[in-house]
Amino acid sequence: RKEVEQDPGPFNVPEGATVAFNCTYSNSASQSFFWYRQDCRKEPKLLMSVYSSGNEDGRFTAQLNRASQYISLLIRDSKLSDSATYLCVVTSYTGRRALTFGSGTRLQVQP
Amino acid sequence: EAQVTQNPRYLITVTGKKLTVTCSQNMNHEYMSWYRQDPGLGLRQIYYSMNVEVTDKGDVPEGYKVSRKEKRNFPLILESPSPNQTSLYFCASSPVGLYKETQYFGPGTRLLVL
Repeated sequence: RKEVEQDPGPFNVPEGATVAFNCTYSNSASQSFFWYRQDCRKEPKLLMSVYSSGNEDGRFTAQLNRASQYISLLIRDSKLSDSATYLCVVTSYTGRRALTFGSGTRLQVQP
Repeated sequence: EAQVTQNPRYLITVTGKKLTVTCSQNMNHEYMSWYRQDPGLGLRQIYYSMNVEVTDKGDVPEGYKVSRKEKRNFPLILESPSPNQTSLYFCASSPVGLYKETQYFGPGTRLLVL
């Protein structure tokens, strides 16, 4: 079983739609959670951190459910420029201090 | 401009020919790391470094070496590349407060081993 699992998609949605992605993680000791965005095999870039209390950044809302070990990302009013792959990322307090990436969910917003 | 640079960006080589991919950051970050990205597998950590002269293995270290002689540089060495090392490679850096800070990624190096 992968440490971080995501639905690979693709999610094809029209402009203006609301779309939600979920991600599950297996390590209950995971401590920090992020969503990264990756455009067309370019470098990943941090989209937002995810907190238990939930956090919002404009059209983007992230939620963490520690009991069920899943993370969600909600995108409202989708734009063409939102088309990308969204990577769910967790970290754990191990010596290696690595980010563990999901394989990503591809979003295609269509006109 | 704060950034992580990698060179070369694209490389085609043949099996067994030693190569080095350089990585440099100008943000004075202590932590640096190498990842490879393969379809369906996501990014997997190869090696990481907590500071100068401190390196350790990640998830997939076989066939790779690294060194950290200076804080800003973290080269990835393939002593004898094989076709299964064909991949997209990313270098990343962050301050030591990893759990609160984002990692900054270089632009990636596409490697094809024939």
